[in-house]
Amino acid sequence: QVQLVESGGGVVQPGGSLRLSCAASGLSFRNSGMHWVRQAPGKGLEWLAFIRFDGTKEDHAESVKGRFTISRDNSKNTLYLQMDSLRIEDTAVYFCATDLYNWNAFEIWGQGTKVTVS
Amino acid sequence: DIQMTQSPSFLPASVGERVTISCRASQSIGRFLSWYQQKPGKAPKFLIYGASALQSGVPSRFGGSGSGTEFTLTISSLQPEDFATYYCQQSFTAPWTFGQGTKVEMK
Repeated sequence: QVQLVESGGGVVQPGGSLRLSCAASGLSFRNSGMHWVRQAPGKGLEWLAFIRFDGTKEDHAESVKGRFTISRDNSKNTLYLQMDSLRIEDTAVYFCATDLYNWNAFEIWGQGTKVTVS
Repeated sequence: DIQMTQSPSFLPASVGERVTISCRASQSIGRFLSWYQQKPGKAPKFLIYGASALQSGVPSRFGGSGSGTEFTLTISSLQPEDFATYYCQQSFTAPWTFGQGTKVEMK
């Protein structure tokens, strides 16, 4: 069964840090580009970051550049998002998703983990 | 950044009805357009990529069309499980951006 499971969310004060994890199973994680996408309460979807299947290329949205860092450990089938200098406006549900190769679309999604900055 | 604008934002509809959602890009994106369905409290579900290619397992009542700046998602005969919010997303140029969403609700 193909599955992505996020963890690491919670309540943090402004200026604090959190590290989100996304554990993959049932898919060829080491061959998959990966994304983080978030959704603020009652709002739409916002792409945050992408990492190539082998970790050699990363890209971050301007809204989080310099504060958030995407990384991966293919030996553990796990994707990470290190979030520093958190702001109230970072409050959202954070989803990880696989990249549809050649299309930069979000194919398989995790269930999301909630981050509250307050 | 490429801006994606969906219309309408809310779409009252009935079961069995044909439903059409529009998505406009602020510049040409070729056919680099995907569609997602999201139900309350759930993750989005990937429906269509390349403007019209149906993802495996997605019912054939869903269809996509368009190119350049104008795109359409059509549900040929709305089913009860289709009441949800739908998002378009461009994958032509980073940052990958979404439309604001169209909520299909019961009339």
